[in-house]
Amino acid sequence: EVQLVESGGGLVQPGGSLRLSCAASGFTFSSYWMSWVRQAPGKGLEWVANIKQDGSEKYYVDSVKGRFTISRDNAKNSLYLQMNSLRAEDTAVYYCARGAYVGDYWGQGTLVTVSS
Amino acid sequence: EIVLTQSPGTLSLSPGERATLSCRASQSVSSSYLAWYQQKPGQAPRLLIYGASSRATGIPDRFSGSGSGTDFTLTISRLEPEDFAVYYCQQYGSSRSTFGQGTKLEIK
Repeated sequence: EVQLVESGGGLVQPGGSLRLSCAASGFTFSSYWMSWVRQAPGKGLEWVANIKQDGSEKYYVDSVKGRFTISRDNAKNSLYLQMNSLRAEDTAVYYCARGAYVGDYWGQGTLVTVSS
Repeated sequence: EIVLTQSPGTLSLSPGERATLSCRASQSVSSSYLAWYQQKPGQAPRLLIYGASSRATGIPDRFSGSGSGTDFTLTISRLEPEDFAVYYCQQYGSSRSTFGQGTKLEIK
């Protein structure tokens, strides 16, 4: 059974940093692109970033470019999102999803709240 | 950036009725790289349709997708009680994927 479990969310002050993790199981992690998608409270979905199987290609939505970094560790079946210079508008549930853009499996999400 | 506009914002129907949801793109979506998701409160999105018309694994055949270019449609042929949720379209024809704002399908 495919499982994606996010962790690392929480309350952080504006300008702060947070690192999200996504633990994958039930499939060959190293064979898939992976993505992060977020959803602000009561709002719609926003694709954030993705990463190729070997980490050689990464893409970001313009609003996080230069602040967020996506990475992966295929030996640990894990996906990461390093978030720096956080802003109030980054407050959202962050989901990891299997796939470059179309997510056929999603985690349950982890909430990031940016507030003073 | 391709902007997706979904209509209507809210659709009120009864179980057994047919639902037609629209997704219009600000420019042509290459190769019909258009997906549809269903999301229920407190849950992650669930992939329904990809490539504009291909059903994802395990999705009932009452769900169908159609369209090309800038106009796409998700049709639910006969609504079941579990189908009432929010539906999102997503384009992935460019390296910057975008979602529509969603259509809420509610029980009339």
